[in-house]
Amino acid sequence: QVQLVESGGGLVKPGGSLRLSCAASGFTFSDYYMSWIRQAPGKGLEWVSYISSSGSTIYYADSVKGRFTISRDNAKNSLYLQMNSLRAEDTAVYYCARDLEAAAGYFDYWGQGTLVTVSS
Amino acid sequence: DIQMTQSPSSVSASVGDRVTITCRASQGISSWLAWYQQKPGKAPKLLIYAASSLQSGVPSRFSGSGSGTDFTLTISSLQPEDFATYYCQQANSFPPITFGPGTKVDIK
Repeated sequence: QVQLVESGGGLVKPGGSLRLSCAASGFTFSDYYMSWIRQAPGKGLEWVSYISSSGSTIYYADSVKGRFTISRDNAKNSLYLQMNSLRAEDTAVYYCARDLEAAAGYFDYWGQGTLVTVSS
Repeated sequence: DIQMTQSPSSVSASVGDRVTITCRASQGISSWLAWYQQKPGKAPKLLIYAASSLQSGVPSRFSGSGSGTDFTLTISSLQPEDFATYYCQQANSFPPITFGPGTKVDIK
C-alpha cells in the first residue's frame, strides 16, 4: 500500500535550518509529482512547494521562495525539503503529498506530517 | 493568485442530515477543484477532484458540483465519522496551489 513517512522535524531557533525527508513506498515514486504542504497550529492548509517526477520542474510559494529548497532522489524513493532562514511563522506540521496524476495538483496520498517549531 | 473562500465557516448538524458546503474562487478555475476532509491530528483525505469526481474508496454520500467560480460539496446523509473539517483547493492556476479556509462540521 502507498505510504509516505516524513521525518526531520523539531525545534529550531529563528534563522536556523532544518531538512525534512519523506520516504515513499508502495508505488513507483519516480512516476509521481510530489508536494510539501504545511499547516500552522490551529490553522488551515498552505501549499509550500512542488516538484515534478524528474525534478526538472519546481515551484514554491512566495512565502518560502529563496529560503526553502525542494529536491528528490528517485533512486532512494525520497523527497526532501531544505529549510533555511527559518522564521516563527514557519512553525507548522509539514506534510508530503503525492499528486494524483502528473501536474493535476490534486493530492491523493499524504504522510502523517512532521512538526517544525521555530522558537528561541 | 486565486483566492478561495468557503461558507459557512462552521456548521452544526445531526446524523442523517444533508449538509452542503460552498466554495468560491476569486476567478474562474473551470473544474480544477478538489475537496478534502481532515480530522483532528490527522492528514487531509482527498474526497473529490475535478469538481465532481469521487476519489476511489470514498462513500457515495459525498458529491461535488460546480464549475467556474462556484462549487459545492454535499454530504447526503451525515454519518458519525463525517464530523471533521472540510477544505476546498484549486488546481487551475499554479503556482500557487491555494486552499480555502475550511468548514468545520460538528455535532448539533
